[in-house]
Amino acid sequence: GAVVSQHPSWVICKSGTSVKIECRSLDFQATTMFWYRQFPKQSLMLMATSNEGSKATYEQGVEKDKFLINHASLTLSTLTVTSAHPEDSSFYICSAPRAGASNEQFFGPGTRLTVL
Amino acid sequence: KQEVTQIPAALSVPEGENLVLNCSFTDSAIYNLQWFRQDPGKGLTSLLLIQSSQREQTSGRLNASLDKSSGRSTLYIAASQPGDSATYLCAVRMDSSYKLIFGSGTRLLVRP
Repeated sequence: GAVVSQHPSWVICKSGTSVKIECRSLDFQATTMFWYRQFPKQSLMLMATSNEGSKATYEQGVEKDKFLINHASLTLSTLTVTSAHPEDSSFYICSAPRAGASNEQFFGPGTRLTVL
Repeated sequence: KQEVTQIPAALSVPEGENLVLNCSFTDSAIYNLQWFRQDPGKGLTSLLLIQSSQREQTSGRLNASLDKSSGRSTLYIAASQPGDSATYLCAVRMDSSYKLIFGSGTRLLVRP
């Protein structure tokens, strides 16, 4: 199957700092990528749709100035959590659909963010 | 608004049992449905994808069925193994936007 990577796999930061998470599609191009967050023992909640070459589309209730998304190329999207607070601690996962007959979505391994 | 429900929330079975995980959705106008597996602290691994025009898909010991009219999908796991222990998520795609709507998952434990 296709491969999507995320970096870093985990990060611990102090309250008030900003953290950048990268999502890369390694063997296919993705004009669209998705960012999710997941709380312990809960399902994935879609945060935003990252669009290559244009602004991201945010889901209702997600602060766009808090979670900055940049889709700079066909294989890279970044999520920056600005002025992080403890309540931003979560598991962040990206996904990328591979266009074609299967229209399957492939997910990254996730990034565990802990804000102290 | 589409809602996806998975039952049961948790399941514990002895090794070797055949088991069925259920996924239901309220809006039958789906584009496709995908089953994923998630190990603790990890991302999602795609297991099976069923297009809206299909009835089932099979991969090894896994078989997923889709009944759009009744808003249901089932994931059948044959001869379960301890390595099958994980959370299983179903997700529906409604349109060409690629957005997925997830169920809350079923946490499976297969006991040796």
